[in-house]
Amino acid sequence: GDSVTQMEGPVTLSEEAFLTINCTYTATGYPSLFWYVQYPGEGLQLLLKATKADDKGSNKGFEATYRKETTSFHLEKGSVQVSDSAVYFCALSSGANSKLTFGKGITLSVRP
Amino acid sequence: EAGVAQSPRYKIIEKRQSVAFWCNPISGHATLYWYQQILGQGPKLLIQFQNNGVVDDSQLPKDRFSAERLKGVDSTLKIQPAKLEDSAVYLCASRVKGAGTDTQYFGPGTRLTVL
Repeated sequence: GDSVTQMEGPVTLSEEAFLTINCTYTATGYPSLFWYVQYPGEGLQLLLKATKADDKGSNKGFEATYRKETTSFHLEKGSVQVSDSAVYFCALSSGANSKLTFGKGITLSVRP
Repeated sequence: EAGVAQSPRYKIIEKRQSVAFWCNPISGHATLYWYQQILGQGPKLLIQFQNNGVVDDSQLPKDRFSAERLKGVDSTLKIQPAKLEDSAVYLCASRVKGAGTDTQYFGPGTRLTVL
């Protein structure tokens, strides 16, 4: 079945540091790929997405590129802020029902 | 545009009791999902509705969990009787699918603690 693997956390960075969160996937067919973010006390929010190979999703300074050859969708940001502290989930959607399969999530803490 | 609404936000019950959660999706969204998120894990799909019909309930523990969406709008998820391992956040999501877009929007969730 479909699966998503995220790097182990938590991750702690200083403000303005570069961020990379690794995500790889296993799926049949051609899934769409997503990053969701969960800020403290809030629900899951879509951060960015990509629907086909080589697409780059971007939002709020975050970027991720759909790499079919390495089955990866790594999340990057050039300069993190304290307000980026949250839990980040990589997910894929496949099949006619567009069921989402999530990774375990990783907690990012950014210190001033 | 109002988001996905869920209630209650928190619920504490004892094992073997029953509990129900309510979800109101974004207006016009035909597809509704219930997910279970256990602490430290990603959300896992329990059931998917298209209008008032069940599309996928393969991961729903049907001996204790039930869900309905009678009029194709609001939905209720019930657990009876609850077990300790049901402690989790229950997330409702609704989906919009159109030209160039296919996105699920999540509610704030209901945090269930079973003692």
